[in-house]
Amino acid sequence: ETGVTQSPTHLIKTRGQQVTLRCSSQSGHNTVSWYQQALGQGPQFIFQYYREEENGRGNFPPRFSGLQFPNYSSELNVNALELDDSALYLCASSLSGRTKNIQYFGAGTRLSVL
Amino acid sequence: KNEVEQSPQNLTAQEGEFITINCSYSVGISALHWLQQHPGGGIVSLFMLSSGKKKHGRLIATINIQEKHSSLHITASHPRDSAVYICAVAGTASKLTFGTGTRLQVTL
Repeated sequence: ETGVTQSPTHLIKTRGQQVTLRCSSQSGHNTVSWYQQALGQGPQFIFQYYREEENGRGNFPPRFSGLQFPNYSSELNVNALELDDSALYLCASSLSGRTKNIQYFGAGTRLSVL
Repeated sequence: KNEVEQSPQNLTAQEGEFITINCSYSVGISALHWLQQHPGGGIVSLFMLSSGKKKHGRLIATINIQEKHSSLHITASHPRDSAVYICAVAGTASKLTFGTGTRLQVTL
C-alpha cells in the first residue's frame, strides 16, 4: 500500500470525448508525475507537477493537460480522445521534483477508448 | 534504439532458481530504479540506486555506472515473485525513462 490513490480504476470512453483522471498523493509529498502505459510497453512520462506548477513534460500533445491542487492532489485531463489513448494511466508521488527521490505509484486507471 | 534496454523480455523459472534480469542504458543518469508491476497494473518501487549494490530480502540490485548496466537478482525464487520487472532511469530532467519490462513467471 503506497498511499497513492487513483480514481476511477477503469473507464470506458468513446473517441472525441474528454476524460479526467484523479490522483491523491502520499501524505507529505509535493510532486506528482503522470505516466501512460500502453499494453506490453513500459510507462511513458506525460508530465510532472511540483507545488502546483508543471515541472517537465514528455512528448505528449497539448490535449493532455494537468492540474495540481494546494493539497498536492492532481488531475490529468485528456481532450478529444483518440483510440491510441487507450492505456493504463499511472500517477506517482514523491517528496520533491528531483528524480532521485523514490516515486510511489498508484494502482493506475485503465482507460479504454472505443 | 531505446534509451533503456532490458533482457530477457520473458523469463520462466522453477521455484527456487536464481534469477537475473539485466538493464542497459545509453544516457547519463543520476539514479536507476527497479520497479515491480503485478497483473492489474499497480507498480511497486523495489530499489533506487546510483552506485554499488543494494539488498532487500531475496532481492539484490547492482549497478555499474561506467558500463551503464544494472542487474536485478532474485534468490530462491517463488511463484509470488511472478510479475513484470521494470528498470527506469532518472536523467537530469524531471522524468523517468522506462524499459519495456521483463515478464517473469515462476512455476512450482
